[in-house]
Amino acid sequence: TQLLEQSPQFLSIQEGENLTVYCNSSSVFSSLQWYRQEPGEGPVLLVTVVTGGEVKKLKRLTFQFGDARKDSSLHITAAQPGDTGLYLCAGEPTGANNLFFGTGTRLTVIP
Amino acid sequence: IAGITQAPTSQILAAGRRMTLRCTQDMRHNAMYWYRQDLGLGLRLIHYSNTAGTTGKGEVPDGYSVSRANTDDFPLTLASAVPSQTSVYFCASSPRWDTGELFFGEGSRLTVL
Repeated sequence: TQLLEQSPQFLSIQEGENLTVYCNSSSVFSSLQWYRQEPGEGPVLLVTVVTGGEVKKLKRLTFQFGDARKDSSLHITAAQPGDTGLYLCAGEPTGANNLFFGTGTRLTVIP
Repeated sequence: IAGITQAPTSQILAAGRRMTLRCTQDMRHNAMYWYRQDLGLGLRLIHYSNTAGTTGKGEVPDGYSVSRANTDDFPLTLASAVPSQTSVYFCASSPRWDTGELFFGEGSRLTVL
């Protein structure tokens, strides 16, 4: 059983469409991060959210941390082919010292 | 370019052989980590080191060992490789063990036959 479940696992959309990726858990997290990974490379941090209900925007990407700090979402507006990649959420459960990663959402944006 | 260097990039290995994956960072980060990435399972922590001279077990430590003799190097050793250890291995570092961004290497793809 994964500590962090992401959905959907795969997503293929047309350029210009909007999409939302979800990261859910039954555990409470002191913080939650989102990474993007491109083929043949390691993940790269996009954002960290630390406060329940927090919303952060990074250009066309909007990240939200759930009020109870158990879940998060990533919304992309007007997706572009450059957004293609594997999106990973990662969280540090309250009281734990390590970062646990979600199962990932593989996004393909078709031109 | 500063960052994390992993070697080898790719390796095919016979079952039962010993293998060491190398990881070096030049950012003077205190914490270092080894993850394996498998389809459908995401990234899983194998071992970590909060500072030079200390190591700890992650989610999936069995069959792996690590050492942290200095700040920069964090090798991962498979004493006797098995096919289930076929995976992509990522080394990562962080300025501090208790907070902050993880910086990843480009990965080492290991196939155990």
